[in-house]
Amino acid sequence: EAQVTQNPRYLITVTGKKLTVTCSQNMNHEYMSWYRQDPGLGLRQIYYSMNVEVTDKGDVPEGYKVSRKEKRNFPLILESPSPNQTSLYFCASSRSAGGTYEQYFGPGTRLTVT
Amino acid sequence: AQSVTQLDSQVPVFEEAPVELRCNYSSSVSVYLFWYVQYPNQGLQLLLKYLSGSTLVKGINGFEAEFNKSQTSFHLRKPSVHISDTAEYFCAVSEGAQKLVFGQGTRLTINP
Repeated sequence: EAQVTQNPRYLITVTGKKLTVTCSQNMNHEYMSWYRQDPGLGLRQIYYSMNVEVTDKGDVPEGYKVSRKEKRNFPLILESPSPNQTSLYFCASSRSAGGTYEQYFGPGTRLTVT
Repeated sequence: AQSVTQLDSQVPVFEEAPVELRCNYSSSVSVYLFWYVQYPNQGLQLLLKYLSGSTLVKGINGFEAEFNKSQTSFHLRKPSVHISDTAEYFCAVSEGAQKLVFGQGTRLTINP
């Protein structure tokens, strides 16, 4: 089954404790992205990657890091989480060729930083 | 940069009534447009998309949307809603293959 997976689905942590949210896709997509969803703001892009070792900032990159060492994986790293990073996070992937630009989303990770 | 405005943050309707969720986008150039649905405690599921061609797009679960270039709108409609349509709906426009720009979301509540 074609899918994007994320782990963990739920995470409660404390301010300053480094964490990583994993994302993996099995569709051989070139593009991968991270979004955060906040009430009244919709989804906003944090970072994206066009292929292995190629990443760039989205609209709200402060406080986040990413890496793309393999095509299928795109982890999101919060090196020193703060309460304003409490949010619902989605990973997404899309193809570059044949361009419908449709993005396929993972199930989401709900992060609470206390 | 693109922007998307969903004109209603909440829409309450009665079961079996018609509904329209409104979406306006900013771009004057060719765009790809999407509607996604998020059921409670779930991820995002694609309802429908407009790429080109017919301005009336049919999606899953009986939803359809009409692309109106002159009004830069992409409103979502369903002629008769069901309790199971209770969800949050997001309109989005593509900004290249790497990014979707989303509206703020519209929470659709179906009352029996």
